[in-house]
Amino acid sequence: QAVLTQPSSLSASPGASASLTCTLRSDINVGTYRIYWFQQKPGSPPQYLLSYKSDSDKQQGSGVPSRFSGSKDASANAGILLISGLQSEDEADYYCMVWHSSAYVFGTGTKVTVL
Amino acid sequence: EVQLVESGGGLVQPGGSLRLSCTASGFTFSSFSMKWVRQAPGKGLEWVSHISSSGSTIYYADSVKGRFTISRDNAKNSLYLQMNSLRAEDTAVYYCARDGWDYWGQGTLVTVSS
Repeated sequence: QAVLTQPSSLSASPGASASLTCTLRSDINVGTYRIYWFQQKPGSPPQYLLSYKSDSDKQQGSGVPSRFSGSKDASANAGILLISGLQSEDEADYYCMVWHSSAYVFGTGTKVTVL
Repeated sequence: EVQLVESGGGLVQPGGSLRLSCTASGFTFSSFSMKWVRQAPGKGLEWVSHISSSGSTIYYADSVKGRFTISRDNAKNSLYLQMNSLRAEDTAVYYCARDGWDYWGQGTLVTVSS
């Protein structure tokens, strides 16, 4: 089982909110991890969006709009990236990442389509 | 302005070697740990290696351990990745990234094929 699992795709309308999940393997407790989120558009390197460990321990990337926010769902053992007020420019691949067992591990990625 | 520029990619035969470089500018290179991340064509991101600011702490992904060596020259503001015993599955765009993940290079393509 992969350390981090993300849904392969998500579609939403402009102006809507999109909630991207990053589910940790069942033997790993999301509460102890900082979850990093990246956005990648075709032909470009990934862009750091934010990291989230708790409400008191989070960091927004420089220049990243506040409509991108992070959280956790402990019951689902998952990290969440919420994109509010979706815009066409948000269409991209999104990856989560954690530091686990002396290695950085990326999630499988979610392709967000803005319809 | 912070810049990271990768170089050294190209076509190499299976079993061959290649050395990637990442030249940094616009920040105090010696103060930051650095990473290599790769992305196979049409695939997701895969972390490859990490090196601390002084070079004293190094980590590798299991997929490259024993074949790749990360190093840095702080006097030259440069990060390196020596890749030996290359395999077809090492074919990817290789990115260098600064600690904090806030700056990435544009990547250099490595193709392993006969």
